[in-house]
Amino acid sequence: AQSVAQPEDQVNVAEGNPLTVKCTYSVSGNPYLFWYVQYPNRGLQFLLKYITGDNLVKGSYGFEAEFNKSQTSFHLKKPSALVSDSALYFCAVRGTTDSWGKFQFGAGTQVVVTP
Amino acid sequence: NAGVTQTPKFQVLKTGQSMTLQCAQDMNHNSMYWYRQDPGMGLRLIYYSASEGTTDKGEVPNGYNVSRLNKREFSLRLESAAPSQTSVYFCASSENRGSYEQYFGPGTRLTVT
Repeated sequence: AQSVAQPEDQVNVAEGNPLTVKCTYSVSGNPYLFWYVQYPNRGLQFLLKYITGDNLVKGSYGFEAEFNKSQTSFHLKKPSALVSDSALYFCAVRGTTDSWGKFQFGAGTQVVVTP
Repeated sequence: NAGVTQTPKFQVLKTGQSMTLQCAQDMNHNSMYWYRQDPGMGLRLIYYSASEGTTDKGEVPNGYNVSRLNKREFSLRLESAAPSQTSVYFCASSENRGSYEQYFGPGTRLTVT
């Protein structure tokens, strides 16, 4: 079975400071990993993904994430947070052996960026 | 492109009533999904369809049925609504190879009284 953990319900950061949102996963086989963002009363928007290749992946809006196989983590980062980054962030994993095609989402982390 | 569209956006039902949530995508994706989102629980998969003509249960299928009408459309039916089905429902689609990421509709906010 696959699972995703986002250990922080909320992350608070001041504008201009670095932002990190944590994610760890468990999956059979090689993981396909994703980050999504949800603004109030909207659907989820894709930010970035890791399928294969470089462990550091870059995505939309200046976000990046680092895949760490030994720690089974895929933390989302942004060097300098903006107030407009305040939203709900979800990490997701897609299985490649069992549960093929099914995505497992974390519970979400609320990011609050203060001016 | 419209992407993924869902209807209706809001719905209030009484316990025992039935309804169908509609979803359509115009990206020629093979896979389509129905999720429900509840506070503090992330997104939970209700049903998914890996291709036209196939459907499979997800994590929380009880009380729901689905129909993959064609490649574009994937509907979710509540036969006898219960208050526990009060939630926000999202439809999503993705390709089966290559990009894999899911594209989400705007959601349907359902309240069952």
